[in-house]
Amino acid sequence: DTEVTQTPKHLVMGMTNKKSLKCEQHMGHRAMYWYKQKAKKPPELMFVYSYEKLSINESVPSRFSPECPNSSLLNLHLHALQPEDSALYLCASSQGASSHTQYFGPGTRLTVL
Amino acid sequence: DQQVKQNSPSLSVQEGRISILNCDYTNSMFDYFLWYKKYPAEGPTFLISISSIKDKNEDGRFTVFLNKSAKHLSLHIVPSQPGDSAVYFCAAIRTGNNRKLIWGLGTSLAVNP
Repeated sequence: DTEVTQTPKHLVMGMTNKKSLKCEQHMGHRAMYWYKQKAKKPPELMFVYSYEKLSINESVPSRFSPECPNSSLLNLHLHALQPEDSALYLCASSQGASSHTQYFGPGTRLTVL
Repeated sequence: DQQVKQNSPSLSVQEGRISILNCDYTNSMFDYFLWYKKYPAEGPTFLISISSIKDKNEDGRFTVFLNKSAKHLSLHIVPSQPGDSAVYFCAAIRTGNNRKLIWGLGTSLAVNP
């Protein structure tokens, strides 16, 4: 089973809203990732959690705030986003941060009005 | 600086024939290469990978070839099926901690019935 689940599938929010994206995996993976993907571009890494600790922050603006409550869950808290933040947000996991294969969820399509 | 390059933005192939997707890289420190397939509005799906110490890896209809001296890899799909129509991303990982996927820009494959 290589399933990563993400909720919600679609999200529309205003620039003053606060919302959260959720990701879950039950593969026993110890590394989890947030990516942002714009149309016709490859995924762009945002954050990496390894053993529930933030190990990489790719200079992401503070309006994006990740959280890893436990080894199976990863959240991305959103606040005061801009319309240019509209994108597909992808969660991925791997056995460890040194593993070469990452498994992706279906993504959350975010629209910021 | 694009370390992983997919020079063909699109490819069209007849059903039943071979699809060959190409990828070039510049960094000799990459030690794993991966291919992902992506349908619109979905997360990338891992297809196949190859270690830098091998020159071929096969999984069903998918075969990846690696030519280290030319810094080139290719994904062969035989026989191609209409359901293979998607964007294919080549990605590479470098030796070291916090292994970060370096992505190509993708090739859009259309398999025509």
